[in-house]
Amino acid sequence: GAVVSQHPSRVICKSGTSVKIECRSLDFQATTMFWYRQFPKQSLMLMATSNEGSKATYEQGVEKDKFLINHASLTLSTLTVTSAHPEDSSFYICSATLPHHAWGPQDYGYTFGSGTRLTVV
Amino acid sequence: DQQVKQNSPSLSVQEGRISILNCDYTNSMFDYFLWYKKYPAEGPTFLISISSIKDKNEDGRFTVFLNKSAKHLSLHIVPSQPGDSAVYFCAASAEGGSYIPTFGRGTSLIVHP
Repeated sequence: GAVVSQHPSRVICKSGTSVKIECRSLDFQATTMFWYRQFPKQSLMLMATSNEGSKATYEQGVEKDKFLINHASLTLSTLTVTSAHPEDSSFYICSATLPHHAWGPQDYGYTFGSGTRLTVV
Repeated sequence: DQQVKQNSPSLSVQEGRISILNCDYTNSMFDYFLWYKKYPAEGPTFLISISSIKDKNEDGRFTVFLNKSAKHLSLHIVPSQPGDSAVYFCAASAEGGSYIPTFGRGTSLIVHP
């Protein structure tokens, strides 16, 4: 089945540095990818919608200059956390929608990556 | 304003018993409902779903019930197993929203041996 690969799985960086997280669709082309952040109280917060070849659409309250999203190809979206601070430490997850012909019988083709644990020290 | 609500942040169940996870929604335009399971440090994985034209969908030990009039759905796991211990997210989507799911906050299920 279709797979969304996310890398790295975990990263530790110093405060003030930038970190890039990659999200790849391995066997399909994803015109749209999504970036989530999971907060300590479990909830998944949609940060932004990444559209291939155009600017990302950010959810209200998400700083676009801090969380840079690039979707330069149909198989890769990147999230760069710029000038990271300890409060940016979190679990970041990407997801992608599969093309219609690849939808499973029930899941409507919404697939998640394995997530990235970011720790800023 | 949360459109999908999981009011129980956690649930503890004995192995072999039934686990019932609840979810409420407010947007009447939602026509597709999904449950995802998430282990720590992993991305959510699809578990089961139900279309608004149905009131029940069953897959092995997992059954999802939908009550449209009450805008309520529930996930039943029977019998519960320790490996079912995870966070369960309820999600809802609509054709008008390109089927991009809106997620609840999740319920952490712990199944005790």
